[in-house]
Formats: sequence, structure tokens, C-alpha cells
Amino acid sequence: ETGVTQTPRHLVMGMTNKKSLKCEQHLGHNAMYWYKQSAKKPLELMFVYSLEERVENNSVPSRFSPECPNSSHLFLHLHTLQPEDSALYLCASSQDRGGGPETQYFGPGTRLLVL
Amino acid sequence: RKEVEQDPGPFNVPEGATVAFNCTYSNSASQSFFWYRQDCRKEPKLLMSVYSSGNEDGRFTAQLNRASQYISLLIRDSKLSDSATYLCVVNEEDSSYKLIFGSGTRLLVRP
Repeated sequence: ETGVTQTPRHLVMGMTNKKSLKCEQHLGHNAMYWYKQSAKKPLELMFVYSLEERVENNSVPSRFSPECPNSSHLFLHLHTLQPEDSALYLCASSQDRGGGPETQYFGPGTRLLVL
Repeated sequence: RKEVEQDPGPFNVPEGATVAFNCTYSNSASQSFFWYRQDCRKEPKLLMSVYSSGNEDGRFTAQLNRASQYISLLIRDSKLSDSATYLCVVNEEDSSYKLIFGSGTRLLVRP
């Protein structure tokens, strides 16, 4: 399935590095999300963009910086991360129709290791 | 108290068994409920939405009990391919976007 793609799939970085995660959705959706999934913990919502405007920012440290240049693309810029930031970062998209929550479709995730 | 609480399992059952998972949620104002499935090292995928009247999709039945704030998922005639982690998901009040995920219940179906 290629509805939501993410690159890279795996990333190892040092604490002083700067890297970016990329997400692209091919579903014609207008909302995109970043989630963090750590081992044995539930998915945590990080950011939500609807119509390219950020609508949710869940007290995420400033070392994570999202960017949504258009409704199909979403980036997560990373800098000076900590080892505890090691996790699976999942992108998702949905179609916001102004009603209740719509089904979110997830990408395969980027597995990040911070050394 | 966790917002969405699930028994982590694992539930280890033979093929053909019936297995049920429960999930409790803390926000009585939540309006939408879902079960997602996540295979090992894969992304979550929607299994089914949970409606007030309950709903069934083949071997899967979901029920909602608002008074007790719990959601259940029943799987009949388990298949090997049902082995996965099942995530209970609840929306946050007044939000179209914010879904609260449980940590998941792991199911292992053995031959």
C-alpha cells in the first residue's frame, strides 16, 4: 500500500545532528499528523495540520519542528535530539469534513535511534 | 489514571477460539471510538469504528458501554493472521483531530 509514504524508514543520528523526516500522502486528504510511538507506550500525538495550518501542538519540545508546505507533504525537522527521543515516528492523514474524527491512515513510520 | 486503558496481554489462544478484549476510557464526553490493529513493526490500521448500537464485521464484533465507559472487541473463529496488537482509540472531547490511543492488547493465535 502506498497511500502514505515516509522516508527514511530508519535513521540513526547523533545528538548534535540535524535531520528531517518526510511524509507524503497520495489520498487527497487535507489533514496530516505526526505521532511518536515509544516502546510499550501508546501513540502520542505531536502535531496536526489541517489545510496546511497547524491546529494541534501537544507541548512538543522545540527540538522537533514541523513543516507542512502543502496538503500532501509534511516534514519533521529534528535537531539536538536526546536519546529518549528514540522511537517510531508515524505520519498519518485524514479527510477533515468538519464533523467528528475521520479515519486516519498511517504511513509505515521512521524508526529513529538517537545516540 | 490513563486516558485509555487496555490489558497488554498477550492473549495466547488456539486457532478457532473466541477471544474478547476490553478497553476503558476516562473521558465521559468522548464521542467516537475505534479499534485499530497494528502488526509487529508495522503501522496501525483501522479495524473498525465502534457505534453506540454495537457493530459487527464478519468475525469481529465491537460493543460500546457508555455508562461504564468501556469498549469491547470480540473475535470469533480466530485465525493465525489475527495475531497482532489491537489498539483501542477514543477521540478527545470537542476535537476532530485528537485521538487518544491505548497501549494495545497483544494477541497471539497458535496453530
